[in-house]
Amino acid sequence: AQKITQTQPGMFVQEKEAVTLDCTYDTSDPSYGLFWYKQPSSGEMIFLIYQGSYDQQNATEGRYSLNFQKARKSANLVISASQLGDSAMYFCAMENTNAGKSTFGDGTTLTVKP
Amino acid sequence: KAGVTQTPRYLIKTRGQQVTLSCSPISGHRSVSWYQQTPGQGLQFLFEYFSETQRNKGNFPGRFSGRQFSNSRSEMNVSTLELGDSALYLCASSLGGGHTEAFFGQGTRLTVV
Repeated sequence: AQKITQTQPGMFVQEKEAVTLDCTYDTSDPSYGLFWYKQPSSGEMIFLIYQGSYDQQNATEGRYSLNFQKARKSANLVISASQLGDSAMYFCAMENTNAGKSTFGDGTTLTVKP
Repeated sequence: KAGVTQTPRYLIKTRGQQVTLSCSPISGHRSVSWYQQTPGQGLQFLFEYFSETQRNKGNFPGRFSGRQFSNSRSEMNVSTLELGDSALYLCASSLGGGHTEAFFGQGTRLTVV
């Protein structure tokens, strides 16, 4: 069975600073994809970044980067230069070869302070 | 390119009633997945449809069902509503080839009274 663990229910960061949101996963499938989504208060889930299990390099998308440590089964999200608009709930998710079915963590609420 | 559209946005129903939620995926996307989000249980996978066939199913009772039409639009039906069915129901569309990002709609917030 697949499992995603996000151990930080809530995080605070000062505007313009960097923040790391933790995510560990468990799967016996050698092929999987890891995703991060942002959910603002409006409810819509917004895709941020993707990392494939066979990707050699860590994924980056603008201010978002994924610190992928396969041996530790961790896929932490790093947000650089935090902005007030980054305040939201962040979810880590995994999709294995069972395409279309993603397992989500419980989420981390990030609050950016001015 | 239009995003994922879910209707209605908000719904209030009485226990015992049934409800149908609709999801129109991004044009060209053949996979539609449904999730239930509640404060206590987080995001739970309901089912996924690909080319009109249910390809994956989560651990929900038979009261929860769905279907997908030839234009990839999907509907989700919940019969005999219970108070615990109150949740945000999210629909996600993707190309469906595996390990591709899913694009979510804004969700339907269902309240059962």
